Amino acid sequence: EPEVTQTPSHQVTQMGQEVILRCVPISNHLYFYWYRQILGQKVEFLVSFYNNEISEKSEIFDDQFSVERPDGSNFTLKIRSTKLEDSAMYFCASQALAVTDTQYFGPGTRLTVL
Amino acid sequence: RKEVEQDPGPFNVPEGATVAFNCTYSNSASQSFFWYRQDCRKEPKLLMSVYSSGNEDGRFTAQLNRASQYISLLIRDSKLSDSATYLCVVRSSGTYKYIFGTGTRLKVLA
Repeated sequence: EPEVTQTPSHQVTQMGQEVILRCVPISNHLYFYWYRQILGQKVEFLVSFYNNEISEKSEIFDDQFSVERPDGSNFTLKIRSTKLEDSAMYFCASQALAVTDTQYFGPGTRLTVL
Repeated sequence: RKEVEQDPGPFNVPEGATVAFNCTYSNSASQSFFWYRQDCRKEPKLLMSVYSSGNEDGRFTAQLNRASQYISLLIRDSKLSDSATYLCVVRSSGTYKYIFGTGTRLKVLA
């Protein structure tokens, strides 16, 4: 069964550093998402991406965040200057055709900001 | 009022029991509804979509009440492997934004 993959599984960084989280969605999927989950809290929507542009973003997704699909397979989330409160699990998800289709989540990247 | 609200639990039930979870949502323009399951420190996985007419998948039954703005999930004949956190997810019409509830923890006891 095709799956969404994410790398790295765990990233440790110093406050103020830039990090790039990588995701490989399921091929032929067209809609892509990033979510975050702070330990013990709910899954929070960050951004949706379709046709090489952001479809929607949440209040959390400020100027420190950006997304890109640089080569037609990878989907990346960049945090320009990490803060302690960015420590969380970041999940990528992809979806085939329409918003009613199933979202498939990757296993997540645990980001720890020191 | 929270956009999507769930009782956090935990619900501790014996094997074989029937358990029901409810979820309420605040936006009447919500259009798509889902139940996901999340195991500890793992990614959410879709359990089932929720349709207006209600739907069943084996031991799992989902219902939607648009008038009262709530969704329910019923699990019959609980198994130990059903122990997880159950997430209610809602999408509003015309958006690509999926809102998750905090989840309800279920522990099925032997």
